[in-house]
Amino acid sequence: DGGITQSPKYLFRKEGQNVTLSCEQNLNHDAMYWYRQDPGQGLRLIYYSQIVNDFQKGDIAEGYSVSREKKESFPLTVTSAQKNPTAFYLCASSETYLAKNIQYFGAGTRLSVL
Amino acid sequence: GEDVEQSLFLSVREGDSSVINCTYTDSSSTYLYWYKQEPGAGLQLLTYIFSNMDMKQDQRLTVLLNKKDKHLSLRIADTQTGDSAIYFCAADSWGKLQFGAGTQVVVTP
Repeated sequence: DGGITQSPKYLFRKEGQNVTLSCEQNLNHDAMYWYRQDPGQGLRLIYYSQIVNDFQKGDIAEGYSVSREKKESFPLTVTSAQKNPTAFYLCASSETYLAKNIQYFGAGTRLSVL
Repeated sequence: GEDVEQSLFLSVREGDSSVINCTYTDSSSTYLYWYKQEPGAGLQLLTYIFSNMDMKQDQRLTVLLNKKDKHLSLRIADTQTGDSAIYFCAADSWGKLQFGAGTQVVVTP
């Protein structure tokens, strides 16, 4: 089955800790995205990658970091600099970054602070 | 910046039609999308419309686009309890998607 797999489904972070959220896709898509979702708000873009070995900051990149060493993988690290990390995190991918940017989403990771 | 706005809540009786409205500000948006999110899940693409179209129908779903007013709507015919979810409108803007805050649709028997 083709799709996007996010893990873990639930994650807890201690004070001062960095945590990494995994996102893997087997759709052979070039572009990948990370969004943050807070209750009652739309999705906000954290980082995106148009192609392997390249990524750009989105609207709320502070306190987050990413890498794109493989086409199928785009992990997100929530660093200790992110003071309010509790949220639902969604990863998405699209065939290309250009025009008809149909994005397909994973099932999400819910991050909470201990 | 670019904004996408939606009403936050809609209650509808089972079997009736639902209409969810959305407005966007970026006149250069080429594609507009509707996504559905069930509790605790990711977003599922429902349908999309190209900006040079004014209507698209896909089974129970009808999308209407008024490009002049930058207004998009999603009509769900014969609404079922399984249609209870949050619906997001999104507009593409320079390669990125701008999402509305979502409309929670509650279907009552």
